[in-house]
Amino acid sequence: AQSVTQPDIHITVSEGASLELRCNYSYGATPYLFWYVQSPGQGLQLLLKYFSGDTLVQGIKGFEAEFKRSQSSFNLRKPSVHWSDAAEYFCAVGDQGAQKLVFGQGTRLTINP
Amino acid sequence: DAGVIQSPRHEVTEMGQEVTLRCKPISGHDYLFWYRQTMMRGLELLIYFNNNVPIDDSGMPEDRFSAKMPNASFSTLKIQPSEPRDSAVYFCASSSWTANTGELFFGEGSRLTVL
Repeated sequence: AQSVTQPDIHITVSEGASLELRCNYSYGATPYLFWYVQSPGQGLQLLLKYFSGDTLVQGIKGFEAEFKRSQSSFNLRKPSVHWSDAAEYFCAVGDQGAQKLVFGQGTRLTINP
Repeated sequence: DAGVIQSPRHEVTEMGQEVTLRCKPISGHDYLFWYRQTMMRGLELLIYFNNNVPIDDSGMPEDRFSAKMPNASFSTLKIQPSEPRDSAVYFCASSSWTANTGELFFGEGSRLTVL
């Protein structure tokens, strides 16, 4: 069965600093991989996704993620965070050909001014 | 385009009462998902539908939970009788197989508190 692990429950960074959120997945074939963001009181919004091709994918709001098959990872990065990036971030994996996604536990990001 | 619409946004009820949560997916989407979010368990998939037919309900916690999708534009999640441990935020999401992006579009959620 698919699974997703986000090792960091809570991360605090200073505004302007770089950010990397970790995601490891377990899946037999090449997965569909996603990062979603959830602001307080809101639903989840897609940041970026990987299906195939270039392993470095660009998303909205200046985020990017890199798929590393050898490490079963799909880490999310941003070179310089803004206070508005404070939110909860979820990594998810989906079956090829299926719409079902399995989400990680989420990483809560706090930004220090 | 309107997004996924859920109602009510907040519901406070007493143990034993029936709760009905409602969802209107994005027009044209053929998949609909119900997720539950809690601090302890994170985001759990409860059930999902394809073309109004339930495909996988293995995440439904027990018989007290039921979900229906009578047509392409409406779904309900019902809890009867409700218990305090059902307190959570329930999200509805929809997606399009035709678009084949795998992207889920989420509603803003229904926060349920069972006293």
